[in-house]
Amino acid sequence: GDSVTQMEGPVTLSEEAFLTINCTYTATGYPSLFWYVQYPGEGLQLLLKATKADDKGSNKGFEATYRKETTSFHLEKGSVQVSDSAVYFCALSKAGGTSYGKLTFGQGTILTVHP
Amino acid sequence: NAGVMQNPRHLVRRRGQEARLRCSPMKGHSHVYWYRQLPEEGLKFMVYLQKENIIDESGMPKERFSAEFPKEGPSILRIQQVVRGDSAAYFCASSPDGRALMTQYFGPGTRLLVL
Repeated sequence: GDSVTQMEGPVTLSEEAFLTINCTYTATGYPSLFWYVQYPGEGLQLLLKATKADDKGSNKGFEATYRKETTSFHLEKGSVQVSDSAVYFCALSKAGGTSYGKLTFGQGTILTVHP
Repeated sequence: NAGVMQNPRHLVRRRGQEARLRCSPMKGHSHVYWYRQLPEEGLKFMVYLQKENIIDESGMPKERFSAEFPKEGPSILRIQQVVRGDSAAYFCASSPDGRALMTQYFGPGTRLLVL
């Protein structure tokens, strides 16, 4: 079945450091890929998405590129802030035919940014 | 435009009791998904509903769990005879249609604790 694997956390960085959170997926067909962020005690918010190969999603300084050849969708940010501390989830949904938007999530990566 | 609403936010039940979780999708959204987040884990799909129809319940436990989305009113996730292993955060998400590339908007979740 479909699956998403994220790098193990937690990740701890100093403010203004570079961030990479790795995400790889296994899926047949052509999935859409998403990054969601969850702040403490809250629901998930969409951070960015890409719906086809080589697309780059970006938002709030975060970027991720849909790489079909490596089945990856790594999340990057050039300079993190304390306010970026949260749990980040990589997810996919299957596209095509009669498929619909059921999301398959990775296990989540806890990011903590220190001043 | 109000976001996805879930209530209650916190629910405490004793073993053997029933839990009812409610989800009101965003205005104009007729597609609802329920996910469960066990402690220290990612979200797992449970069920996908459209108004008055269950489209996919492949992630629902076979017993004790049921879901509905009536023509009028919120979607309800019902857990009968709760056990300690049901303790988790339950999130619902809505989207305007069921296509895989559509963004799902998540509610704040209901945190169920079974004593």
